[in-house]
Amino acid sequence: DTGVSQDPRHKITKRGQNVTFRCDPISEHNRLYWYRQTLGQGPEFLTYFQNEAQLEKSRLLSDRFSAERPKGSFSTLEIQRTEQGDSAMYLCASSLGMPRANTGELFFGEGSRLTVL
Amino acid sequence: AQKITQTQPGMFVQEKEAVTLDCTYDTSDQSYGLFWYKQPSSGEMIFLIYQGSYDEQNATEGRYSLNFQKARKSANLVISASQLGDSAMYFCAMKKLSRGSTLGRLYFGRGTQLTVWP
Repeated sequence: DTGVSQDPRHKITKRGQNVTFRCDPISEHNRLYWYRQTLGQGPEFLTYFQNEAQLEKSRLLSDRFSAERPKGSFSTLEIQRTEQGDSAMYLCASSLGMPRANTGELFFGEGSRLTVL
Repeated sequence: AQKITQTQPGMFVQEKEAVTLDCTYDTSDQSYGLFWYKQPSSGEMIFLIYQGSYDEQNATEGRYSLNFQKARKSANLVISASQLGDSAMYFCAMKKLSRGSTLGRLYFGRGTQLTVWP
């Protein structure tokens, strides 16, 4: 499978614990994005990497959130001291540096669903 | 700020019929792209169709077509010959194409849940 993969698919944790999600983008894609989706809403942008550089962070990304892409390949999203409001689906997407001929579309993974008890 | 509005929380259509999912957007940018994504219960966002703001013709991809009305700022998705497998959540999204914008950052609507019945 050469699509975007995310791990774990599901995570249940107690409030106050730390969690980490991993995303492996499509291998030739140099851009990587994290989105968060809560129930009944569309995905909301969190952060964006071009290669290993984190170029933009949303205000949604509080100090408890940190994302890395150390070698410009896979990325991790860590949430420290989780809160119940962090419960959501965390989606990773990747794209080529130069858009495809017409779309510049993002390719999404299946997401990591977080439940904070 | 960019805003995408999908006013239909749920839509129902009978198999083999056509259905239109509404999307309006608000932006001051002149150059932008509009997308539709499908999200089945598995969670993955699947790209369906794209329309650039300067494209003169409406986009089509197989059974999907985008009814783009720039003056009305609407980008409705038309699915022809609905199939049971089309049952899913559908999201309209927009990205800015102007210099300085985060390339690839998408702004999503709240989605429309489509149910296709036999």
